[in-house]
Amino acid sequence: GDSVTQMEGPVTLSEEAFLTINCTYTATGYPSLFWYVQYPGEGLQLLLKATKADDKGSNKGFEATYRKETTSFHLEKGSVQVSDSAVYFCALSENTGGFKTIFGAGTRLFVKA
Amino acid sequence: EAGVAQSPRYKIIEKRQSVAFWCNPISGHATLYWYQQILGQGPKLLIQFQNNGVVDDSQLPKDRFSAERLKGVDSTLKIQPAKLEDSAVYLCASSNAGTPTYFGPGTRLTVT
Repeated sequence: GDSVTQMEGPVTLSEEAFLTINCTYTATGYPSLFWYVQYPGEGLQLLLKATKADDKGSNKGFEATYRKETTSFHLEKGSVQVSDSAVYFCALSENTGGFKTIFGAGTRLFVKA
Repeated sequence: EAGVAQSPRYKIIEKRQSVAFWCNPISGHATLYWYQQILGQGPKLLIQFQNNGVVDDSQLPKDRFSAERLKGVDSTLKIQPAKLEDSAVYLCASSNAGTPTYFGPGTRLTVT
């Protein structure tokens, strides 16, 4: 069945460092791909999405490119801030008679000042 | 716009007791989801409603879990009887876009 695999955390970076969180997926068809973020004490929020191969989703300085050939959707940010400390979830959604969204296990990011 | 509301925020019960969670989605959102998030894991879909009909409940343990969405607005999720392994955060989400867009703060359930 469909699945999402993320790099294990926690990831600890200094402020202004470059961020990459790896995400790969397995799907039978052509899913849409998503990144969600969960800030401390808050609910999950949709961060960005891409619906087809080679699409780039972007929001709040984060971006991710849908790579069909490597079945990947890595999250990147050029310069992280302390306020980016959160848990990031990669997810896919495929229409199999109804959209079903499957989440990865999440990657915790700590950014130090 | 008001977000997804959930209550209670925390609940502690003993095994074999029953518990109910409530969710009020964003106004006008046709799709409502209940997810279970065990510590260290990603959310797992329990049930998905489209208006007041069930779209997917394939991962709902129907011998102990039940959910309803009367009138296609708010929803309740019930566990009866609870087991230790039901300790988790229960998330409600809503959307009009085919995938969960807005999540509530969750209910943290501890079964002792």
